[in-house]
Amino acid sequence: DAGVIQSPRHEVTEMGQEVTLRCKLISGHNSLFWYRQTMMRGLELLIYFNNNVPIDDSGMPEDRFSAKMPNASFSTLKIQPSEPRDSAVYFCASSQAGFGAFFGQGTRLTVV
Amino acid sequence: GDSVTQMEGPVTLSEEAFLTINCTYTATGYPSLFWYVQYPGEGLQLLLKATKADDKGSNKGFEATYRKETTSFHLEKGSVQVSDSAVYFCALSVGAGKSTFGDGTTLTVKP
Repeated sequence: DAGVIQSPRHEVTEMGQEVTLRCKLISGHNSLFWYRQTMMRGLELLIYFNNNVPIDDSGMPEDRFSAKMPNASFSTLKIQPSEPRDSAVYFCASSQAGFGAFFGQGTRLTVV
Repeated sequence: GDSVTQMEGPVTLSEEAFLTINCTYTATGYPSLFWYVQYPGEGLQLLLKATKADDKGSNKGFEATYRKETTSFHLEKGSVQVSDSAVYFCALSVGAGKSTFGDGTTLTVKP
């Protein structure tokens, strides 16, 4: 398995634009997590899904953020409209219960 | 709620020194415990894990023992290398739930 695959690796966009980050899970994993990492706030959990169902979205900062999991192997995180303070590295991770999370390489988002 | 507290960094060591990074936790239920490592520009990688009391996780010379009586999971390595320089995260998860991470400890190993 190629591991968790995120795209794009880097995204530079202008304030107000829509941004979509993509994540392909490891086959057989049933939990999916989206994290955001910045120097100031460290690693923050935004939302997680179990068996395609959103379980906890309390970390989603605002209504501008939304996440979907249309099938068992794929997820998107959308920011609309984007703002400079959204600049961060966004990670997705997948897991099978109790075995630890496997992270993707991350998407470095810069909003100018 | 669940929480993880780990040793504040940064930690700077000379090559071949002994490493300990402390980690303590609070959890409802019976957590699995993990250490992750993050190298610059990369995602977190699972380093080792332990799923029940007294289990020892080990990988790449690193070890940690699940101590239920002290609610701890300290990371150790007998002889660090420059290539071990990274950020280390302690974490826990209960069942299929989310992982709770510590704030991370930056390790720098000098030749």
